[in-house]
Amino acid sequence: QSVLTQPPSVSAAPGQKVTISCSGSSSNIGNNYVSWYQQLPGTAPKLLIYDNNKRPSGIPDRFSGSKSGTSATLGITGLQTGDEADYYCGTWDSSLSAYYVFGTGTKVTVL
Amino acid sequence: QVQLQESGPGLVKPSQTLSLTCTVSGGSISSGGYYWSWIRQHPGKGLEWIGYIYYSGSTYYNPSLKSRVTISVDTSKNQFSLKLSSVTAADTAVYYCARALVVAATFFDYWGQGTLVTVSS
Repeated sequence: QSVLTQPPSVSAAPGQKVTISCSGSSSNIGNNYVSWYQQLPGTAPKLLIYDNNKRPSGIPDRFSGSKSGTSATLGITGLQTGDEADYYCGTWDSSLSAYYVFGTGTKVTVL
Repeated sequence: QVQLQESGPGLVKPSQTLSLTCTVSGGSISSGGYYWSWIRQHPGKGLEWIGYIYYSGSTYYNPSLKSRVTISVDTSKNQFSLKLSSVTAADTAVYYCARALVVAATFFDYWGQGTLVTVSS
């Protein structure tokens, strides 16, 4: 089981906004940058957000990231049917043995 | 545009060694600046980082898999490889290779399409 906890699912109607939380601890989110990945059905994950709140080239500004303390949040505004996917947070964990860890994942459903 | 492509057997017998190769195009592994990674995803489950390697050969592994994992690099072929020994059904997963930028932060900016490896007799 991952040390980064996300809600299993969130949903909203097209055009609405959703937020996805990623809860960790001082050994991971609290002291490291967070990235977010979108995984469309049957495809490889895709980088959405890095360094807590930066978007790679080509990622629309409908996607945003933030971090506060030991939690991070991904926001998606103007929800589209094409946003229906699994979303994962990720960060380095510096506990006993350092390693990279992904969140448990959140399924976004567009109603 | 960097592209990564996994290759290797899709079926491995229990107790044997899983071997996969990732071929990188559109960029040189030996140019430095990036770590070359393996990540897996059990069917219907989340992502699990296996480990990564720098072009110089420095490696970092997930502690939960460290005793069974070897990641190596062949800069002449612009490839890096994964070996996972003593596999069981629990190692059945889609295996992805990815490029990681490791500076102040670590994140994976380019991914292969993934390859399903099934462990079964």
